[in-house]
Amino acid sequence: SAVISQKPSRDICQRGTSLTIQCQVDSQVTMMFWYRQQPGQSLTLIATANQGSEATYESGFVIDKFPISRPNLTFSTLTVSNMSPEDSSIYLCSVELALAGAPTGELFFGEGSRLTVL
Amino acid sequence: AQTVTQSQPEMSVQEAETVTLSCTYDTSENNYYLFWYKQPPSRQMILVIRQEAYKQQNATENRFSVNFQKAAKSFSLKISDSQLGDTAMYFCAFMKPGNFNKFYFGSGTKLNVKP
Repeated sequence: SAVISQKPSRDICQRGTSLTIQCQVDSQVTMMFWYRQQPGQSLTLIATANQGSEATYESGFVIDKFPISRPNLTFSTLTVSNMSPEDSSIYLCSVELALAGAPTGELFFGEGSRLTVL
Repeated sequence: AQTVTQSQPEMSVQEAETVTLSCTYDTSENNYYLFWYKQPPSRQMILVIRQEAYKQQNATENRFSVNFQKAAKSFSLKISDSQLGDTAMYFCAFMKPGNFNKFYFGSGTKLNVKP
């Protein structure tokens, strides 16, 4: 299994500001995933962060708006830039469990960061 | 692109009863995985059960079992002997193996277990 810690757990932000969310994993993982979960909705993948390379963004998400860092195998950050009320959401960090280096298809999630933009 | 559909936004069940949550998906892939994830009110998502598409036998995990119908692209979750702790959002997910495994989630079903 994997234990994932996210900070902050929640925050209230002003329009036009930026906020960085941190994700710490208790084991080394190749891929880390960032999801957005808008109120009452499902999870939407924002990007996949691979250590040592640029993140891969899904359609509708761009690096300028959601820059991601992945400095090592246990840590990643997601920044939500120039926030607007439409960015109010829960942001989830996730990793995939690997056994003997092979991916298992099982995701572990952090508890999420609930952002409210006024 | 893959899509996952959960047609039941909310369901209720009495404690100790059985409930079935529906999920359908659309894909042209032959090799894939299906999952049910649970998100309790505390918000942390946890895996309930997984199914490999190449396996004909339905997966079971204690009180949780699936009915996997590959031709119909259906993947329902049955919860037997429902407990109050089963109250949560349940998400069906599809995973296509690749350079990195990509997951697609349904819109979720909110399950309320009533005492």
